[in-house]
Amino acid sequence: EVQLLESGGDSVQPGGSLRLSCTASGFIFNAYAMSWVRQAPGKGLEWVSVISGSGGSTKYAASVKGRFTISRDNSKNILNLQMNSLRAEDTAVYYCAKAEYGFGPFDYWGQGTLVTVYS
Amino acid sequence: QSVLTQSPSASETPGQRVTISCSGSTSNIGSNFVYWYQQLPGTAPKLLIYRNNQRPSGVPDRFSGSKSGTSASLAISGLRPEDEADYYCAAWDDSLSGVVFGGGTILTVL
Repeated sequence: EVQLLESGGDSVQPGGSLRLSCTASGFIFNAYAMSWVRQAPGKGLEWVSVISGSGGSTKYAASVKGRFTISRDNSKNILNLQMNSLRAEDTAVYYCAKAEYGFGPFDYWGQGTLVTVYS
Repeated sequence: QSVLTQSPSASETPGQRVTISCSGSTSNIGSNFVYWYQQLPGTAPKLLIYRNNQRPSGVPDRFSGSKSGTSASLAISGLRPEDEADYYCAAWDDSLSGVVFGGGTILTVL
């Protein structure tokens, strides 16, 4: 059974940093691209970033490029998202998601972790 | 403003059939697979349809997907109260090099 478990969500002030993690199990982790997708309160889904199975290729949404860094540790089946220079508009539930094919979209999602950026 | 366009809401009575549409462009729906997700309140999205019209195991055959050109649709037949949820379409976008979503459709089962 595929399981994705996010952690690291917290409340932080604007300009601050936060690191999210997602621990995966139930599939061959390094064989699949993984993404972060966020959902602001009461809003729709927004793709944030993707990393290839090997970790050698990454892509970012324009809204986070230069501020967020996606990475993965295939020896530990962990996906990370380092978030710097956080803004109020980054407030959202952040989901990790496994690509069904290529870089996505996705067949499995985690339960999400809440990031709140407040002043 | 979402890259893929969905109607904000839809409603129908139990037992009936409803169709949710998703409109895109040649860089996303026109050249890549479409996926559909169901999101119940307070929960993570769940995959309903992948690769335009494929159902994961465990998804009832009341749910079906189709694609034509730069548009796609999700049909739900034999509506049940538990189908009340938000529904999102998604696809890879070659121009943006990322996954794009529709804005979501809130389905009400009257």
